[in-house]
Amino acid sequence: AQSVAQPEDQVNVAEGNPLTVKCTYSVSGNPYLFWYVQYPNRGLQFLLKYITGDNLVKGSYGFEAEFNKSQTSFHLKKPSALVSDSALYFCAVRDGSARQLTFGSGTQLTVLP
Amino acid sequence: GAGVSQSPSNKVTEKGKDVELRCDPISGHTALYWYRQRLGQGLEFLIYFQGNSAPDKSGLPSDRFSAERTGESVSTLTIQRTQQEDSAVYLCASSLEASGRSYEQYFGPGTRLTVT
Repeated sequence: AQSVAQPEDQVNVAEGNPLTVKCTYSVSGNPYLFWYVQYPNRGLQFLLKYITGDNLVKGSYGFEAEFNKSQTSFHLKKPSALVSDSALYFCAVRDGSARQLTFGSGTQLTVLP
Repeated sequence: GAGVSQSPSNKVTEKGKDVELRCDPISGHTALYWYRQRLGQGLEFLIYFQGNSAPDKSGLPSDRFSAERTGESVSTLTIQRTQQEDSAVYLCASSLEASGRSYEQYFGPGTRLTVT
């Protein structure tokens, strides 16, 4: 079985400050990890993924995420937040055998001007 | 290029009626997924198609839900005798799939279903 936890329903950060959106996971095998962003009334957009290799993954719009195997975490980060980053962020996981993604409950990010 | 498209974008139906939702995946994508997103919640997996293999229906919540896909093209999700708890956004995604490789899923804009 695979599962994802996003412990924060809401994250607020001031524009220009660094942001972190937390995600922890549980899978039986090697994890494939993803971050998606959802803007109001729009579908999910892919941000980045970790499959293998470097633990620090860089993605779209200046976002990056760090895979930490010992802590089973895959936190999303950005050095300097923009107001336009305000959206709903989902972490997702699958293991090597599953095909469907298991999503977290989402974290609403609000960047304050 | 064209992304995943879904129709209709919104559907309001009366309890007990049947509805059909359509998904056009990205051309060349062999895998297609349906998910459901209830208000304020994450996505729930419903069903997965990969090429000509038997679909993975393990996420379908009841026998009122069914889906079809012709080859590697359009898919339809059908909900029979709709109930109010079926109200949600239904999202379709497609991806490339190949042995030993994992690719990201690309999502359509969704169909917002409201059962009155």
